[in-house]
Amino acid sequence: KAGVTQTPRYLIKTRGQQVTLSCSPISGHRSVSWYQQTPGQGLQFLFEYFSETQRNKGNFPGRFSGRQFSNSRSEMNVSTLELGDSALYLCASSVQGATNEKLFFGSGTQLSVL
Amino acid sequence: AQSVTQPDIHITVSEGASLELRCNYSYGATPYLFWYVQSPGQGLQLLLKYFSGDTLVQGIKGFEAEFKRSQSSFNLRKPSVHWSDAAEYFCAVGSNSKLTFGTGTRLQVTL
Repeated sequence: KAGVTQTPRYLIKTRGQQVTLSCSPISGHRSVSWYQQTPGQGLQFLFEYFSETQRNKGNFPGRFSGRQFSNSRSEMNVSTLELGDSALYLCASSVQGATNEKLFFGSGTQLSVL
Repeated sequence: AQSVTQPDIHITVSEGASLELRCNYSYGATPYLFWYVQSPGQGLQLLLKYFSGDTLVQGIKGFEAEFKRSQSSFNLRKPSVHWSDAAEYFCAVGSNSKLTFGTGTRLQVTL
């Protein structure tokens, strides 16, 4: 089985721009979660989608949004980028998104905001 | 709110030596606990998890962890470290389909 695929791998943007990141989960997985990883804040939960519905959301401003398509692929969007949004954005998938399930992580998208 | 503390930011061990990475959690109920490992430039890989039952859990790559409710700890151990174990290790507590991670411990292995 192919793993979790995130595109693009690297991205450079300037302040004020917006960006869209993509995540393709493992085939058969219906839950997709997003995490932000920074040296200062560590790994922080952004949101989780299951069957095209956002089920859980972390403590991030409204500039961070996401969606999930009928094929379980997910995108996250960050509008009006700030320097502090520079981070590694990780996507993870699981079958049902239950708390006790193993999460399969992608390699991430490294976003740099200049 | 749940939280996870990994008191050691960086640990160096010699290849073949034993390893213990510390993790303390704060959670109101019986926790779902995890250890993940991240190699440079990679995503996270699950090493092991604990939900209930036997407090000593075995994982992949020869790792094990022991849940101690009285100490709110879930320390990760390996009897003999290999150079390929050099990576960053994250302890996490799960609830409502999300994970709360500790700040990680970077493991360096000397030959």
